[in-house]
Order: sequence, then C-alpha cells, then structure tokens
Amino acid sequence: QLQMQEWGPGLVKPSETLSLTCTVSGGSISSSSYHWGWIRQPPGKGLEWIGTIYYSGSTYYNPSLKSRVTISVDTSKNQFSLKLRSVTAADTALYYCARKGYCSGDNCYVLVGEAFDIWGQGTMVTVSS
Amino acid sequence: SYELAQPPSVSVSPGQTARITCSGDALPKQYAYWYQQKPGQAPVLVIYKDSERPSGIPERFSGSSSGTTVTLTISGVQAEDEADYYCQSADSSGTYVFGGGTKLTVL
Repeated sequence: QLQMQEWGPGLVKPSETLSLTCTVSGGSISSSSYHWGWIRQPPGKGLEWIGTIYYSGSTYYNPSLKSRVTISVDTSKNQFSLKLRSVTAADTALYYCARKGYCSGDNCYVLVGEAFDIWGQGTMVTVSS
Repeated sequence: SYELAQPPSVSVSPGQTARITCSGDALPKQYAYWYQQKPGQAPVLVIYKDSERPSGIPERFSGSSSGTTVTLTISGVQAEDEADYYCQSADSSGTYVFGGGTKLTVL
C-alpha cells in the first residue's frame, strides 16, 4: 500500500523560503502513470492546488503561485520537494502531498483519471517572526 | 483564473438525500472529482471521472454531470457522512482547481 509523508520545518520567518519534502513508500515515484503534487489548506479554509511534477521533472504550477514556487523530484530517494519563496502570513497552511493520476489528452493511464487518490497526512507550516 | 463554485453549506436529516453541486465553465469538457474531508483528516477521494466510485466507498455516494454543473449525491445520509466536500477539476491549460468546499451537516 503506497504511503506518503510530508516533512520539513513547521515555522518559517516572513520573506524566507518554505521547504518541504514528501517521501513516497510502498511504490515508485518513477511510475509513468502518476504525477506527484502539493496542495495546501489555510486554517479553516479550503484546498488550494500548488503544483505537480512528473518523474521526468516536468512541472505544472498554480498561476497564482508560479513566480514563487519550485517543485523538484529525486527519484533515487523516492521523494519530491516543494520550495515556496518570499513567504508571508498568507502562506500559513496545512501542506499536503498527494499522488495524481496521469492523463494525456483523452488517454488516462489509471482508473481514477486525474484524481488525487492518495494523500499524506499533511504538515502544518506557520509563517511568523 | 478558473473557478469552481460550490454552496458553502448543505443540511440534511439522517436517511434523507443530500445533493452538493459544483459549477464551472470547463466542466462539460473536463472530468470532475469529489473529496470528503473530516476534521483533522486528509481528504479522501469519493467520486472520480464525474460519476465513478472508488473501491471501498459506500454505494450511497454517487456523482452526475449536466452541462456546467456536476452533482455529488449522498443517498440515505448517515451521521458519519458529516464532513466537508470538495470538487476538483482542471482547465484546458492543465491547471487544477478545487471548489471552495461544502460543509455537509447531518441534523
């Protein structure tokens, strides 16, 4: 059973860079059938997609965050990472990593299409001085 | 930017049917997905590709699509179904978006 676990600092100072890593266990991050993504949830608010990455390194970002976000993958460690630069209090949130099915045009490689079908438990990051 | 609109809240008595809608201009061309999130837990996929149910999800959960609106229907609502529900889809540029979420209250 594939599992995902986020980890990183729980407190980041304003204007600094938030860095998180997601470790994937029980399956390979190099699968051609999935993308790997980051989603966040501010306290008491809804879900916001941050971005996704394919094992090859191809990335897709939320336009509203694109200028500050970098997602990278390390297939040797079965991990992928998030960097969010110049953070403010508005970036305080519960950050989730999740697996997303891959579709190319009308062709989907997994049954669930482009759903985020497996999630980590989430890690809370607070931006404060 | 592309948005998906959901009602903030829906209330229903146990045993009744709950319907949660999600509207978006790209929904006629893009699949919708539904997630259930209970307090303190990560979201769980309950419907994929508009109307398909993952294994392990009770049959009372169903999904449908009509034009720019998709609907999550929970038949015979149980107390354990009280949660936040989010729809998710994509636009033509490969950007993914979540609806604002709907809080389902079981009276």
